[in-house]
Amino acid sequence: AQSVAQPEDQVNVAEGNPLTVKCTYSVSGNPYLFWYVQYPNRGLQFLLKYITGDNLVKGSYGFEAEFNKSQTSFHLKKPSALVSDSALYFCAVRDMRRNQGGKLIFGQGTELSVKP
Amino acid sequence: GAVVSQHPSRVICKSGTSVKIECRSLDFQATTMFWYRQFPKKSLMLMATSNEGSKATYEQGVEKDKFLINHASLTLSTLTVTSAHPEDSSFYICSAEPTYRSFRDKQETQYFGPGTRLLVL
Repeated sequence: AQSVAQPEDQVNVAEGNPLTVKCTYSVSGNPYLFWYVQYPNRGLQFLLKYITGDNLVKGSYGFEAEFNKSQTSFHLKKPSALVSDSALYFCAVRDMRRNQGGKLIFGQGTELSVKP
Repeated sequence: GAVVSQHPSRVICKSGTSVKIECRSLDFQATTMFWYRQFPKKSLMLMATSNEGSKATYEQGVEKDKFLINHASLTLSTLTVTSAHPEDSSFYICSAEPTYRSFRDKQETQYFGPGTRLLVL
């Protein structure tokens, strides 16, 4: 079965420090991986995706993620965290099997808190 | 580009009434739209996949007679919560997938609406 795991419910980082939000996946076939961010009472905003190509993917707001096939991971990173990065982050895999309609399967979410 | 709107953004209703939520793709056509439910600080649960001109595909455990989905055009899908009860209170989010020509092109990111907060009293 296709699945995504975010092992940390919460990540706390000091402003200016690097941040990492972890994600591991389990899929059959090639993974289509995504990161989304959600601010309180808002919908999801797309950050970045990996479909194919370079393992290091750069996205919005200075975020990047590294696809690691051997470790089945797709961790989200940012070199220098901002207080405004505080939000709920979701990793997702798209189920591209023909009978699944391309639905997104989300991880549990990780709440990122960046303190001044 | 790629904007998805939802209406209303917030609704409060009495138990037993029905509530309709609209999801619109404003600047692209969407053959497929998805409806999610999210509980506070929890992950998104896919409820159903809405396909223009055909019946929606519901996920296991989601009552199709309770959550009616209509995808009447390439830019509009509606979710109607029938005979709403307090346990239906939640944050409902839709997403839309741009129309593609072939399955190989089905790599487009889904674009999410801002969500609708439903409170049933």
